[in-house]
Order: sequence, then C-alpha cells, then structure tokens
Amino acid sequence: DAGVIQSPRHEVTEMGQEVTLRCKPISGHNSLFWYRQTMMRGLELLIYFNNNVPIDDSGMPEDRFSAKMPNASFSTLKIQPSEPRDSAVYFCASSLTTGGHGNQPQHFGDGTRLSIL
Amino acid sequence: EDKVVQSPLSLVVHEGDTVTLNCSYEVTNFRSLLWYKQEKKAPTFLFMLTSSGIEKKSGRLSSILDKKELFSILNITATQTGDSAIYLCAVTGTASKLTFGTGTRLQVTL
Repeated sequence: DAGVIQSPRHEVTEMGQEVTLRCKPISGHNSLFWYRQTMMRGLELLIYFNNNVPIDDSGMPEDRFSAKMPNASFSTLKIQPSEPRDSAVYFCASSLTTGGHGNQPQHFGDGTRLSIL
Repeated sequence: EDKVVQSPLSLVVHEGDTVTLNCSYEVTNFRSLLWYKQEKKAPTFLFMLTSSGIEKKSGRLSSILDKKELFSILNITATQTGDSAIYLCAVTGTASKLTFGTGTRLQVTL
C-alpha cells in the first residue's frame, strides 16, 4: 500500500520566493495534517483538515503560510514570501477519523526538507 | 494548552541493555497517547494507548499508560543498534490533532 506521499523531498530557494509543498494522503483517510519539525521546537502542528475542510489552523505561524485541500487526495502548503526562519522539515500526515470510535494513528510522509537562503 | 514532556532528552546505552523512556502529559479530555519512532525520515507508528494498565507489546518493545498519574513509559529490552532513533510521544484530546513531545534521542552502541 502506498503511504503518504510528499513532494518535493528537498527544496532550496532564496528568501522572498514562493514555496509550495505537496501531499497525497493515504487513500481512504479523511484527516490530513501539516507539521513542521525543527531542532529547537520539535514537531509542531500547523494545520489540519477533516473531510477536506480546515479544522484548526492555529499553528500556522503567520499570514505568509497558507494551506489548501481541494480534494480528498491532495493538499498543498504554501509559503509566500519565504524567510530563512522557515527552514525546517515539513511533514504531512493522514489518518482515518471515525468520530465516536476514536481516532486511528496518523501516518507520516517522508517530509520535505526546506532550506531558505 | 496541551503539553507533553519526555525524559530523558537523550540516552546512550550498550547493545543488550534495557531502556525505559518516559512521557508525562497534560491534555484536555484525553483520548489517546501514541508512541512513534523517528529515524532519518518520517515518524513511524509504534503504539496507541487509550486505557490505563494495559500493556501493549511488539517484540522487544512494550508500553503502558497510567491515566491517573498522566504518564506513560516505553520499554525496549535487549536493545540493538537498529533501535537508535528519536522516540516521540504524543497525545490527542478533544480534537483529532496530536501534541508531540520533543522526543528522546536513543543511541545504542556496540
């Protein structure tokens, strides 16, 4: 079975440029999560979607960050304009949320390593 | 705000040793606690715990939850070099989202 697929694997760009990260969740999963991981702060949740609808974006650092999920099999995380402090590994994860029966574990993609120069 | 604290921050052991990793948490309306292992890439799922006192076991790894003391441990017996990784603890509350600890970095040496 295919896991969560993220692209690109690595991105190096200059500050001020627009960056778009992509994620394809596991088929059948209805929840999708974007995380950022740094040495200083560990894994932080940025935003998550349930049934393609953003539920909680309180972790999004500022207006430069935006995320969309146009359909059940695709999501993007965009940073515009990018800054050096955005350098991190960005993970996408998906899970099956079944309401009253509780949540299934989240499964992570391999991440996008982003470097802003 | 939900909070997860893991200890120790890092640990170096010899192959064959047994290790215990700790996770304490504060969360509104606790639903589950999860353990993940992260090597070079994505965190991979190990255990999900929802009930106190019931040990979950997979090979040399086991974990247990104490919902009264808001605590979980992850045990690894007869450690191998392949166990070297960052072990992450996370909790879910009312919402579906996970709150992660900063992890314990385990290094197993020959």
